[in-house]
Amino acid sequence: DAKTTQPPSMDCAEGRAANLPCNHSTISGNEYVYWYRQIHSQGPQYIIHGLKNNETNEMASLIITEDRKSSTLILPHATLRDTAVYYCIVRPPNAGNNRKLIWGLGTSLAVNP
Amino acid sequence: DGGITQSPKYLFRKEGQNVTLSCEQNLNHDAMYWYRQDPGQGLRLIYYSQIVNDFQKGDIAEGYSVSREKKESFPLTVTSAQKNPTAFYLCASSAGGDYSYNEQFFGPGTRLTVL
Repeated sequence: DAKTTQPPSMDCAEGRAANLPCNHSTISGNEYVYWYRQIHSQGPQYIIHGLKNNETNEMASLIITEDRKSSTLILPHATLRDTAVYYCIVRPPNAGNNRKLIWGLGTSLAVNP
Repeated sequence: DGGITQSPKYLFRKEGQNVTLSCEQNLNHDAMYWYRQDPGQGLRLIYYSQIVNDFQKGDIAEGYSVSREKKESFPLTVTSAQKNPTAFYLCASSAGGDYSYNEQFFGPGTRLTVL
């Protein structure tokens, strides 16, 4: 199963865009990229997912490179409430895929006033 | 509001005692999961259930037990056989069973401390 590499921590100024990178160089053609975040002492929250095309929703945008070996989660206007740990996860397509997710340590994003 | 509830938020138990953590969802989801989170480690899967009256061991099931008698409920019992029970426990659910690409919804977690 493909694993991901994320920087352990990042800082961002409030109101600016936060760009969180993720490397998944061993991803296979039918594996999705999922992003979750976890605010301190709470359960993780789903943000967005994608396969090949860039995706956008009310929370964030996901940019996946053409070779699919890396992706970037973009929070367009970060607020203090976006301070959290962000997890990038590659999801295998075979049966039981939720239970095969590999949760790494993610990126701890600090949004500063 | 639909969602997942876990209770209690904080739980303290003496060593050697069994303790049951509650997880309830009103999302009508088929699949439910229990994870454990320790400092410096990612989430690790304890047990999962794809459907009522069925559940399977995850990666670290030793010392834990579960039941799935109702679709909305998936309680986790931490037994005295679990060597290091102090941790943050997270319950999750997802729609369409375990074979779909649907995302997981997580509860707020229960922080268990064994004294």
